Amino acid sequence: GAVVSQHPSRVICKSGTSVKIECRSLDFQATTMFWYRQFPKQSLMLMATSNEGSKATYEQGVEKDKFLINHASLTLSTLTVTSAHPEDSSFYICSARDPGGGDTGELFFGEGSRLTVL
Amino acid sequence: TQLLEQSPQFLSIQEGENLTVYCNSSSVFSSLQWYRQEPGEGPVLLVTVVTGGEVKKLKRLTFQFGDARKDSSLHITAAQPGDTGLYLCAGVYNAGNMLTFGGGTRLMVKP
Repeated sequence: GAVVSQHPSRVICKSGTSVKIECRSLDFQATTMFWYRQFPKQSLMLMATSNEGSKATYEQGVEKDKFLINHASLTLSTLTVTSAHPEDSSFYICSARDPGGGDTGELFFGEGSRLTVL
Repeated sequence: TQLLEQSPQFLSIQEGENLTVYCNSSSVFSSLQWYRQEPGEGPVLLVTVVTGGEVKKLKRLTFQFGDARKDSSLHITAAQPGDTGLYLCAGVYNAGNMLTFGGGTRLMVKP
């Protein structure tokens, strides 16, 4: 199956700094990638849809200036948490559609990135 | 707002027991998936169901899609500690639209 890889898997940073998380599709091209946030013991919350070559589409309540998304190529999307604060600490997961999945919406997920802001 | 309700939210059972997780919506799905997520990792797709009444089996896991395509269930037979994890159902309400996730069922299987 298709492989999506995230980096870093864990990151600890000081409050006020910015952190970049990368999401790569390793064996297929992904014009669209999705970024999710997951709080402990909870389900996934869609943050934004990353579109190659154009602006990301953010879900209601997600700050565009806080969570910068760049999808500069067909295999890479990045999420930058700007001026991170402790409340931004969370598990961030990216995903991409199975290129052979048609309209069923099947997703391949990255390994996730755990961000801890001190 | 389209809601996808999962139940139970948490389940703790002994090894060898059977269990069923439910996923319900008031709207019709064009397709529905079940994912399993282990701590610190991303979800992994288990199965996709598309046709009303469809039943799929994956070893000890049986997935059923309701006739009206508004609900689904996951049944695990003779649960093992390795089945421990977060089970997520996710549905597409219109072909090509976004995937909506349920709240998840956290399963713990004790040896």
